[in-house]
Amino acid sequence: KAGVTQTPRYLIKTRGQQVTLSCSPISGHRSVSWYQQTPGQGLQFLFEYFSETQRNKGNFPGRFSGRQFSNSRSEMNVSTLELGDSALYLCASSLEGAINQPQHFGDGTRLSIL
Amino acid sequence: EDKVVQSPLSLVVHEGDTVTLNCSYEVTNFRSLLWYKQEKKAPTFLFMLTSSGIEKKSGRLSSILDKKELFSILNITATQTGDSAVYLCAVGYNTNAGKSTFGDGTTLTVKP
Repeated sequence: KAGVTQTPRYLIKTRGQQVTLSCSPISGHRSVSWYQQTPGQGLQFLFEYFSETQRNKGNFPGRFSGRQFSNSRSEMNVSTLELGDSALYLCASSLEGAINQPQHFGDGTRLSIL
Repeated sequence: EDKVVQSPLSLVVHEGDTVTLNCSYEVTNFRSLLWYKQEKKAPTFLFMLTSSGIEKKSGRLSSILDKKELFSILNITATQTGDSAVYLCAVGYNTNAGKSTFGDGTTLTVKP
């Protein structure tokens, strides 16, 4: 079974731009969660999608948004980028969500803001 | 606010040593505690614990949960250089499916 695939692997943007990151979950997994990982803050939960609906949201500003398609693939969008958005963005998938199953992570997208 | 605290933050040991990593938590609607290993890229799943006192084992790694005292430990025996990684602890929720709250991780360095 293929793992969680995130694209692109690396991205460099400038302040004020916007960016879209993509995540393809493991086949059959319907829950996709997004996390931001920085050296200072660790892994912070952004949001989770299940069957094309956002079920949970973390404490991030509205500049961070996402969506999920009918094939469970998910995208995350960040608008009006700030220097502090530089981070590794990780996507994780599971069958039903992280209640009874562990999440499987992709390798992440490393976003650098200049 | 939910909290997951790991200790120590970093640890340096020599091959063959045994290490114990700690994770304490204060969360509402606790369902499970998970351990992940993160090397250069994606965190990889190690254990999921939902019941107190039942040890989970995989090779040289083992983990146990204490739901009364709200903590878990991860033990690694006979450490090898390949065990060098960041070990992350996370909690899962009864109601917030798909969300996990992570600790800051313990960076383990195993020297030959």
